[in-house]
Amino acid sequence: RKEVEQDPGPFNVPEGATVAFNCTYSNSASQSFFWYRQDCRKEPKLLMSVYSSGNEDGRFTAQLNRASQYISLLIRDSKLSDSATYLCVVGVMNYGGATNKLIFGTGTLLAVQP
Amino acid sequence: DAMVIQNPRYQVTQFGKPVTLSCSQTLNHNVMYWYQQKSSQAPKLLFHYYDKDFNNEADTPDNFQSRRPNTSFCFLDIRSPGLGDAAMYLCATTRYGGQETQYFGPGTRLLVL
Repeated sequence: RKEVEQDPGPFNVPEGATVAFNCTYSNSASQSFFWYRQDCRKEPKLLMSVYSSGNEDGRFTAQLNRASQYISLLIRDSKLSDSATYLCVVGVMNYGGATNKLIFGTGTLLAVQP
Repeated sequence: DAMVIQNPRYQVTQFGKPVTLSCSQTLNHNVMYWYQQKSSQAPKLLFHYYDKDFNNEADTPDNFQSRRPNTSFCFLDIRSPGLGDAAMYLCATTRYGGQETQYFGPGTRLLVL
């Protein structure tokens, strides 16, 4: 079983649609949670951190359920520019707490159609 | 201004010919990471440095080595590249390595002929 599992995708949606990504993680000791965005042939870029209380950044809303080990990302009013791969990422403390090791999901490709 | 710089952006090497990828950072961060990302796969951590302390992942092949001569620079050495080592290699940094954001460089895409 993969440490971080995501919807297989790809998601093809029309502009203006609401799209939801789901993710589960297996390590209950995970301490930090993120959504990264990766454009084709580019590096991952942090979209938002995810907190237990849920957090929102404009059209993007992220939720975390520690009990279920489940993370979600909701994109409202999707734009053409939202087309990218969305990576669910979990941080675990490594090497006695000295550093944070990121475990990436394989990502879900979103294609927003005009 | 670029904060994490990787050179070259594209690297072509021959099967078995040693190759070195470079990463530099202007953030004065303590921790530098190297990831390997193969096509349609998740980035996978190879190793990282906390200051001068090297930390290897258990499943990183011996063919991959790293050097960090100073705070700003970190190198990834592939001693004998195989066809299966063709991938995007990503460098990332954090200040203290806790639950902070990792800043990624643009990556070096390696092609092995």
